[in-house]
Amino acid sequence: NAGVTQTPKFRILKIGQSMTLQCTQDMNHNYMYWYRQDPGMGLKLIYYSVGAGITDKGEVPNGYNVSRSTTEDFPLRLELAAPSQTSVYFCASSPDALDHSNQPQHFGDGTRLSIL
Amino acid sequence: QKEVEQDPGPLSVPEGAIVSLNCTYSNSAFQYFMWYRQYSRKGPELLMYTYSSGNKEDGRFTAQVDKSSKYISLFIRDSQPSDSATYLCAMRTGGFKTIFGAGTRLFVKA
Repeated sequence: NAGVTQTPKFRILKIGQSMTLQCTQDMNHNYMYWYRQDPGMGLKLIYYSVGAGITDKGEVPNGYNVSRSTTEDFPLRLELAAPSQTSVYFCASSPDALDHSNQPQHFGDGTRLSIL
Repeated sequence: QKEVEQDPGPLSVPEGAIVSLNCTYSNSAFQYFMWYRQYSRKGPELLMYTYSSGNKEDGRFTAQVDKSSKYISLFIRDSQPSDSATYLCAMRTGGFKTIFGAGTRLFVKA
């Protein structure tokens, strides 16, 4: 009963380095999301995907890239890390966001990223 | 003006108190209203979900939505130390994009 799994849990990067944040879900959900959470700012949507092979930008996509080759996996790529990308990153999934029934987003436990 | 406003707190109450958490919003198109609870170093988890206006009760938790005032509330009765967490309000229109409040930190003292 893993749900949404994110790796790594913590990471320190130097400015200009690249890395991939991993996210996998075992609930066969179509919708997946990446958020960043900064103190006092709430969760901001970076990218989302409505199914394998389909991704789109959210509210704060600059500096990030994503791919969705399978239903289970939705990695987030930082190409040239900048101090402004220091944040906690959460991956989430939901079965069908357009259904009017209760379809909550299930979150992973986050990746804490510091860029120095 | 933010779409969703939430007082960050912290809010400190004694065990057994009734807690009231609130959010205001500006987008009248919001139809779905959620409350998430987030423990330290964990992801948010859905606590309450309400569609349109009205009240919803689940155990010690009651969610209220007043669309005319653009105001939502979460009440916690008989608060426990285990309720100490950050509470995020969230809302969306008929689509999937969810807007989150900044979260209110709650401390329940034993």
